[in-house]
Amino acid sequence: QSVLTQPPSVSGAPGQRVTISCTGSSSNIGTGYDVHWYQQPLGTAPKLLIYGNSNRPSGVPDRFSGSKSGTSASLAITGLQAEDEADYYCQSYDSSLSGSVFGGGTKLTVL
Amino acid sequence: EVQLVESGEDLVQPGGSLTLSCLASGFAFSTYTMSWVRQAPGKGLEWISSISSSSTSISYADSVKGRFTVSRDNGKNSLFLHMNNLRAEDTAIYYCARDYHGTRSFYFDSWGQGALVTVSS
Repeated sequence: QSVLTQPPSVSGAPGQRVTISCTGSSSNIGTGYDVHWYQQPLGTAPKLLIYGNSNRPSGVPDRFSGSKSGTSASLAITGLQAEDEADYYCQSYDSSLSGSVFGGGTKLTVL
Repeated sequence: EVQLVESGEDLVQPGGSLTLSCLASGFAFSTYTMSWVRQAPGKGLEWISSISSSSTSISYADSVKGRFTVSRDNGKNSLFLHMNNLRAEDTAIYYCARDYHGTRSFYFDSWGQGALVTVSS
């Protein structure tokens, strides 16, 4: 059972928009800690996709965007492409656990 | 270019020990907090340990506390994870990651390729 809750899977056709939710609690997202997102294509290491709730590292397309409100956060992907097919993880810090916590991951399928 | 290269992957019997290493290059290793994150086969990511730049602050997930020890050698740009009393549930890919630590923002901005640890008799 992950501390942050994500849907196990989402899917969309090429060109469509999909969102992935990440729900936390008052000891992590709700207490003001930032949310970050990682992309992990099959068989590869995770890669930072969004940091500080809504910021993109250099090289990440602006098709990817993040937001945070209350105890939840969301990752949106517009103009879906086949190369976006991957697992996506949200991450934050938990003050009760004194460490970083991840969501269980969401598998994105591009139809 | 930031590079993190893990080594030491192996098959270990339950109750055994193993040390993983991570060699860093392309950045000022001695100024960054570093972490280990693992991923069991077919499962999600799990943070397990972090160590501050000068080794003065160290933290562990409850799942490994008392069995795993993190350390670093800034002179050799290296991070280590010493694992004792290994269990089957420790079977995973272990990633070395560089931390960003802000006031309320903690994330992993670079990752190694991972090292597979298999615990089985």
